[in-house]
Amino acid sequence: GQNIDQPTEMTATEGAIVQINCTYQTSGFNGLFWYQQHAGEAPTFLSYNVLDGLEEKGRFSSFLSRSKGYSYLLLKELQMKDSASYLCAVRDSNYQLIWGAGTKLIIKP
Amino acid sequence: DVKVTQSSRYLVKRTGEKVFLECVQDMDHENMFWYRQDPGLGLRLIYFSYDVKMKEKGDIPEGYSVSREKKERFSLILESASTNQTSMYLCASSWTSHWGNEQFFGPGTRLTVL
Repeated sequence: GQNIDQPTEMTATEGAIVQINCTYQTSGFNGLFWYQQHAGEAPTFLSYNVLDGLEEKGRFSSFLSRSKGYSYLLLKELQMKDSASYLCAVRDSNYQLIWGAGTKLIIKP
Repeated sequence: DVKVTQSSRYLVKRTGEKVFLECVQDMDHENMFWYRQDPGLGLRLIYFSYDVKMKEKGDIPEGYSVSREKKERFSLILESASTNQTSMYLCASSWTSHWGNEQFFGPGTRLTVL
């Protein structure tokens, strides 16, 4: 079967750095997405990786290793507004998105 | 800005009622999707559509149907609502020919079936 694993919950301190991991086992691979979802709101797109390596976008970076079936989202200089759930999703060989359950990130002052 | 709107933020229905959830996007996207989101589970795809009058089953289509009569509008129908359909329903849309093809989501409809 297809599976996306990410931690259920993480806690970090304002101003610090946090890394949210995502491992996947899917039938084929056509890209990996990270979305942010604040409580009660819609998911919003953060990043897309299809090739191995690091993609940097401001305070957020996303890394992909296709051979290991692994990605991480790195958040730097954490702010209180970064408290949200972070969803990892992989597009499989049928171009359908397989979603992880999300990681709830709690930021403490 | 891409905008995806859903007809209701909150909805309460009774078991056996027919329920319509409407979704409209304003960016001329070809693809539209309906998901449900439940605590502890990833987004689960109910139905999707790649074109007007075209629909494909997702992972959990049982108990649902859809309609896409116009490109901008994708409706989800619960023929006879049941309590296990209480959930958050998210609509999304995307382009076909676009790097990444990220999906843009509506605000969601929290449906409670009593």
